[in-house]
Amino acid sequence: GAVVSQHPSRVICKSGTSVKIECRSLDFQATTMFWYRQFPKQSLMLMATSNEGSKATYEQGVEKDKFLINHASLTLSTLTVTSAHPEDSSFYICSARDMGETQYFGPGTRLLVL
Amino acid sequence: TQLLEQSPQFLSIQEGENLTVYCNSSSVFSSLQWYRQEPGEGPVLLVTVVTGGEVKKLKRLTFQFGDARKDSSLHITAAQPGDTGLYLCAGARAAGNKLTFGGGTRVLVKP
Repeated sequence: GAVVSQHPSRVICKSGTSVKIECRSLDFQATTMFWYRQFPKQSLMLMATSNEGSKATYEQGVEKDKFLINHASLTLSTLTVTSAHPEDSSFYICSARDMGETQYFGPGTRLLVL
Repeated sequence: TQLLEQSPQFLSIQEGENLTVYCNSSSVFSSLQWYRQEPGEGPVLLVTVVTGGEVKKLKRLTFQFGDARKDSSLHITAAQPGDTGLYLCAGARAAGNKLTFGGGTRVLVKP
């Protein structure tokens, strides 16, 4: 099956700093990638849809200036959490959609903001 | 209120028993996917169903899509400890649309 990677797998940062998370589709091109957030023992919540070469579409309640998304190529999307605070600590998961409409998920990035 | 309601939220059974997880909605979906997620990892796709009434089997797992494409079920026969995990259903309202996830069902299979 298709492989999606995320980097880093986990990150600890100080409050007020920014953190960038990369999502790569390794063996297929993805015009669309998605960013999710997952709290412990809960389901995935869609944050935004990342479209290659255009602006991301954010879900209601997600601050676009806080969660910056860049999708500069067909295999890479990045999520930058700006001025991170402890409440931003979470498990961030990306997915990439192939031509057949199937979404393949990355392994997730655990963010801890101290 | 979630668009996709999963039930039960948690299921604890003994090895060898059967279990069924339900995913229900009042909306029609063009496709529905089932994922399994283990702690600290991303969801892994198990199956995609697209046709009303469709039944798909994956070893001991049987997936069914309702005739009206509003609901789905996942049945596991003779569950094993390796089946332990969070099972998520997710649906797309139309081709190319984003996925809407259910709340998840946490399954624990005790040896």
